This record gives sequence, structure tokens and C-alpha cells, in this order.
Amino acid sequence: DAKTTQPPSMDCAEGRAANLPCNHSTISGNEYVYWYRQIHSQGPQYIIHGLKNNETNEMASLIITEDRKSSTLILPHATLRDTAVYYCIVARDDKIIFGKGTRLHILP
Amino acid sequence: ETGVTQTPRHLVMGMTNKKSLKCEQHLGHNAMYWYKQSAKKPLELMFVYNFKEQTENNSVPSRFSPECPNSSHLFLHLHTLQPEDSALYLCASSQAKVVGVADTQYFGPGTRLTVL
Repeated sequence: DAKTTQPPSMDCAEGRAANLPCNHSTISGNEYVYWYRQIHSQGPQYIIHGLKNNETNEMASLIITEDRKSSTLILPHATLRDTAVYYCIVARDDKIIFGKGTRLHILP
Repeated sequence: ETGVTQTPRHLVMGMTNKKSLKCEQHLGHNAMYWYKQSAKKPLELMFVYNFKEQTENNSVPSRFSPECPNSSHLFLHLHTLQPEDSALYLCASSQAKVVGVADTQYFGPGTRLTVL
């Protein structure tokens, strides 16, 4: 079973920041937080991952709480092309278990 | 473009047919994976190969037979499938499967399989 809890769906206005929450209260000390997304009928796309510190790349920012029991993925300026299912995953090595994710709708 | 290609992109087959799905990665990775995604269900890991050796088989029926001739190529041979096997089959690769080390997976576009 997936070790994360995410809201099933969210809406965000185009041009605004999309903040996607994830709870992982049973995360172990050596497990990473990964985010992937899957645009309709395509393969999942890696977004970002982190262990303890906040991370940022060209796609998104990842904010991990100090106790590591939750995290937030931030898409700073959402576009229509960001409409997808976003998966939050905790993994120690590369055994990734996908849950149901959050379906993000970007509204024009 | 992720550096992982899959062919064919779409496949329709009868229950008595034999077909194969092909995956190729151009990333210099040493681990490759097959996943299955049925309608409205999460992705399910099927097989893992690490340095050409199968390291994981998640109780997949024998009508699915994987083959990894080298670190760049992965096949999934299909025979006597059932209609419930219709799904999106995804291939992924990563640097290497090492316990305790985070390893990002890169996915191909998938093969949409329909079994009649």
C-alpha cells in the first residue's frame, strides 16, 4: 500500500501557484519524498524529490516539514499544461509504490 | 522526451496471439522496470531488472514473460492473455537499484494494450 495521503482532486487558476499537500506520517528516517505527475495516458514524469531540506528545480519547489510527516509541492505559476495527476511517494530505494494521487485541474 | 522509448504505442491482440512489447532506454541506466496501469487503478509494479538480472516479480501471471538481454533493452512477451489484461504497460529505467539509495525512475510513454 502507498504510504502517503493526498486529496483526490484540486483546482487552481492559471497563473497562480498550485500548492499540493501530502501526508506521510509513517515515513522512516532514510526514506525520500518523491513527486511524479502523469498527464493523461502518458508515462509518469519525475518532478522533484527530497529527504529533509526544501528543494527547488526548474519545475517546482518541495517543502518538507521539520518532522517530515508532510510535504507540499509548489508549482509557482501553473499553466494549463500542468493539468495532471500528481503522485507523492515515499521510498527508501527505488521501490516506488504509486497511490491514487491528486488530480490537479488548472482553470483558465 | 525522457530517453525511454516503447514500441508499439498501441496493440490490439486476440487471446490466442503471442506478441511482445519492447522498451529501450538511452540514458545509460542499469535498472529497468515494467508497470501495469489498469483503468482507474494505481500503477502496479510487475518486474524489476537490475544489471540484467531479474530482482523482483510481483506475483505476475506466467502469461507475462519478461526478457532483459542487456541493460538498454527490456521486453515483455505476451501469450494467451485475457481481456482483463487490457491496460497501459509502462517501462521505466533508473541508474541502478541500490538498497538505501534514492534512485529516480524515468518512464516511457507506454503501450496501450487491448485484448479482445
